Amino acid sequence: AQSVSQHNHHVILSEAASLELGCNYSYGGTVNLFWYVQYPGQHLQLLLKYFSGDPLVKGIKGFEAEFIKSKFSFNLRKPSVQWSDTAEYFCAALSGSARQLTFGSGTQLTVLP
Amino acid sequence: SQTIHQWPATLVQPVGSPLSLECTVEGTSNPNLYWYRQAAGRGLQLLFYSIGIDQISSEVPQNLSASRPQDRQFILSSKKLLLSDSGFYLCALAGTPYEQYFGPGTRLTVT
Repeated sequence: AQSVSQHNHHVILSEAASLELGCNYSYGGTVNLFWYVQYPGQHLQLLLKYFSGDPLVKGIKGFEAEFIKSKFSFNLRKPSVQWSDTAEYFCAALSGSARQLTFGSGTQLTVLP
Repeated sequence: SQTIHQWPATLVQPVGSPLSLECTVEGTSNPNLYWYRQAAGRGLQLLFYSIGIDQISSEVPQNLSASRPQDRQFILSSKKLLLSDSGFYLCALAGTPYEQYFGPGTRLTVT
């Protein structure tokens, strides 16, 4: 079964710092990967997704992620964070015939003004 | 566009009491529907998914059950709540291609 690991549980950065959140998945075959974000008091929403093709995926709000098959990784990056990026970030992988998502444990990002 | 409604938004229930959480969707037909739980300090765990009316699959053995009496209605239930059932319950539907859209969630506190 697919598993997803996020090793950073809580990250604290100052505004304008660069961000990289780690995500590793276990399944070595065809994989569909996602990053979701949950801002305080808001719905979980999609940041970006990878299905195939260019391993560097760009998402909303200046976020990007790189799929590295040899490392089983799909790390999320942003060159310069803002206070408004404070949120919880979840990496997820698609699995199963019913297209269910397997989530990582999440990373709480706090950006200090 | 698809919309997901969840009711109630928050709930405080004593141990041993029953539970019924409702999820209804609009703007789509015959969607795959999912129930996830987010416990404090943990990620989202898939509880149930449904590919159609009365078709429910359980991902983990637990104190909860799910039902889908109508195409756009997905219900999460329990006969007797445990303290460990506390958490944030999210309903989701599968869009295309393969994205999932999430509802606003229900915060359940079992006391």
